[in-house]
Amino acid sequence: GENVEQHPSTLSVQEGDSAVIKCTYSDSASNYFPWYKQELGKRPQLIIDIRSNVGEKKDQRIAVTLNKTAKHFSLHITETQPEDSAVYFCAADNYGQNFVFGPGTRLSVLP
Amino acid sequence: GAGVSQSPRYKVAKRGQDVALRCDPISGHVSLFWYQQALGQGPEFLTYFQNEAQLDKSGLPSDRFFAERPEGSVSTLKIQRTQQEDSAVYLCASSLATGNTEAFFGQGTRLTVV
Repeated sequence: GENVEQHPSTLSVQEGDSAVIKCTYSDSASNYFPWYKQELGKRPQLIIDIRSNVGEKKDQRIAVTLNKTAKHFSLHITETQPEDSAVYFCAADNYGQNFVFGPGTRLSVLP
Repeated sequence: GAGVSQSPRYKVAKRGQDVALRCDPISGHVSLFWYQQALGQGPEFLTYFQNEAQLDKSGLPSDRFFAERPEGSVSTLKIQRTQQEDSAVYLCASSLATGNTEAFFGQGTRLTVV
């Protein structure tokens, strides 16, 4: 089955700086990679996703890149704001039937 | 409702007690997932339904865990003879289609076994 690793586990940046979170996956058959943001005590919410036929996707300050050959994908947040502080989870589909999540990255944006 | 709804939001159970956790998915969503999230960890897959069919239950940690979705809508996760290690947040998610589509999560049920 699929295995997803995520780094770093914690990340602190100054407001306005960029943040990058990286994930690797094990199963080359995976082809859908969502990113979720989870604030303390709240539900995970999808912020961006990418499919394997696309190398990069951008939505305002958030972008995701995918390298299928190397089996890794990254989340990029530019011009970080305090409200970006949360735990971010990457995930990969597992035979198209469920998702395997990474362990999470706790992002702190310092004012 | 507009989103995935779970009840109860919080449950305290004495060790050995049986519990039932409910999930109301978004209307019309075919796929339904249950995940277990321990404190400070990512969600861990428990089981997956496509309509009323339970297609994957490989993540259920023991035979004390049982899930059903008899009419292809509401789902119940039942835990028998709860143990302290069952304490976690149980998240339900649903998606419109099968595989590779956005999954919407509920608020979760925080289970504490004392």
